[in-house]
Order: sequence, then C-alpha cells, then structure tokens
Amino acid sequence: GAGVSQTPSNKVTEKGKYVELRCDPISGHTALYWYRQSLGQGPEFLIYFQGTGAADDSGLPNDRFFAVRPEGSVSTLKIQRTERGDSAVYLCASSKERGGSTMDEQFFGPGTRLTVL
Amino acid sequence: GNSVTQMEGPVTLSEEAFLTINCTYTATGYPSLFWYVQYPGEGLQLLLKATKADDKGSNKGFEATYRKETTSFHLEKGSVQVSDSAVYFCALGAGSYQLTFGKGTKLSVIP
Repeated sequence: GAGVSQTPSNKVTEKGKYVELRCDPISGHTALYWYRQSLGQGPEFLIYFQGTGAADDSGLPNDRFFAVRPEGSVSTLKIQRTERGDSAVYLCASSKERGGSTMDEQFFGPGTRLTVL
Repeated sequence: GNSVTQMEGPVTLSEEAFLTINCTYTATGYPSLFWYVQYPGEGLQLLLKATKADDKGSNKGFEATYRKETTSFHLEKGSVQVSDSAVYFCALGAGSYQLTFGKGTKLSVIP
C-alpha cells in the first residue's frame, strides 16, 4: 500500500483486558511514531522507533503500555489491563528517517479507535 | 517545555470568505512549524510547513508565515471552499522527532 495502515480501525474491549494495535508503515521508512489523540485534543506523542529500537518512549503514560517493532517495519502497540481512560484514537506515523533540524515529514495512518467499556 | 496554542473552534464560514486560524507556540531552540489537516473520515495530512523564521509555507491556497518575534504561525486562506471543511492542527518540532500539536480547530464552510 502507498500509505500507513493501521488495524483494526475500531476496537472495543472491556476494562482489564489486553489489546494489541498494529501499524504498517510506508515501505522504506525507518522512523515510526505512535501518538494518542483523546476526544477534542491534538495528538500526543507516545513513542518513537528508529529501526527496531525504541529511541524514545518518554510519552508512554505508564508501564501498561508497551510497543515493539521487531523487524524494523511493522509495529505493535500493546496495552495491558486496559482502563476506561485509555479510550482514544491511537495514531501511527512514519517518516524516511529522523530529519534532524528540519524534520522529515511524518505520514499518518487513519488511526485505531479504542473504546474501553 | 514545548507547547502550541491555537484558536478554539468551531469556526463556521460562508464559501469564499477569508480564513484565519491563529497559532502561537512556546519552544526551546529553533522549531519547525507545521499545519496538519484532518478531513472527515481520513488521517492527518501535512498541509504546509516552515522550518525557519520568516519562511512562508503554502499549499492549496493556504499560507502561514513563521514569525519568530511573535512566536506565531497563523494559517490563512483568501477564499475558502466547502471542500476545506476539516479539522486543522498546528504543530511544532523542536530539533527532535516528536511533534507537539495544538488542540485543533474545526472549520465548517457552508455554501
């Protein structure tokens, strides 16, 4: 595909359950980002991958959140023991590489809407 | 820390009206500034950007000028169309990779 894809597009789960959200970046993009967008807010940074490694996970809200990118392409955001406050749209973005002072453009996926009942 | 403040919406305009969405920022260093747009049912798309002071970003009739003295990056369009109805986000990247976004401004253009 030409763009960033995310699956599922919608996920409804019950409080306390475990969920996985998947992101498939643009082919050849080495940098991958996860953001969270709560209702009425702008996206907030969660984690950044350069290749396979998490270069910065300072935006993850707590240790229930974890993300991996084992082969440097697809990434999975994992949320344990979900809480109602985790309900949001989770956005994934990718870019060619870390852009230094001018920043490479980040291309966003359509997001996964997570609802925790 | 870094932050972005943009005018709250929603904004409703008639077709062909002039649009301004205000955006101001606080950042350390010399940030790059962006406007992203989210059309209904679609993902965020980069609309325009500016990487240094006095740069003007432009695309699809939209413009924004990086004003360091006022720490602003206001979005303007001379004549809006119904197809411009969307949510607009101002964002900054300050020498790193993560973007800091404003809360977004919803624009509705009526015929």
